[in-house]
Amino acid sequence: DAMVIQNPRYQVTQFGKPVTLSCSQTLNHNVMYWYQQKSSQAPKLLFHYYDKDFNNEADTPDNFQSRRPNTSFCFLDIRSPGLGDAAMYLCATSRVPRESRPQHFGDGTRLSIL
Amino acid sequence: DAKTTQPNSMESNEEEPVHLPCNHSTISGTDYIHWYRQLPSQGPEYVIHGLTSNVNNRMASLAIAEDRKSSTLILHRATLRDAAVYYCILRDVTGNTPLVFGKGTRLSVIA
Repeated sequence: DAMVIQNPRYQVTQFGKPVTLSCSQTLNHNVMYWYQQKSSQAPKLLFHYYDKDFNNEADTPDNFQSRRPNTSFCFLDIRSPGLGDAAMYLCATSRVPRESRPQHFGDGTRLSIL
Repeated sequence: DAKTTQPNSMESNEEEPVHLPCNHSTISGTDYIHWYRQLPSQGPEYVIHGLTSNVNNRMASLAIAEDRKSSTLILHRATLRDAAVYYCILRDVTGNTPLVFGKGTRLSVIA
């Protein structure tokens, strides 16, 4: 049973056209994360929510924003996508604080920019 | 963040054991050693973690050096489905910090 669900698996948008990626979870975890993974690279953390507290990584572009309306859902908004934003976007969840709690990842949304 | 160093790639024959090394010479006393893997076209998945003692679970074993400056993930019998990128990651004891991924090791399994 899928526990972290990302829709859609593939998303195509036009250069400069806003796009929203969605993530939902059935685990009732208090933390949700967004990672960006470009081709042949490791996932890179963009930001995360600890409950309702938003934590932005210092080098995350201003073009990227996130919303978490409730425990189950989290959205990644890209206001004006550029060609360099084409990547796999991964959502993850965990229950903290506990080191033994792994992060659970979805299978990602692959974003293409035309 | 404490950093880890892994070989870029490794190759194994099917049905044979695989030892994936990781160096973490700057590990702190409160850092746990976590391993994740990412199969093609999937998100990363948790494999195993430990602090000082060796650990075993259904997926793998984790051997941790006595000085904790290195560790080895052991797959006892590699299968084609184990072909993935394996990431060794340090995470503090509270678990409050997100996972920060290094480059990982790409494991190829040959039939």
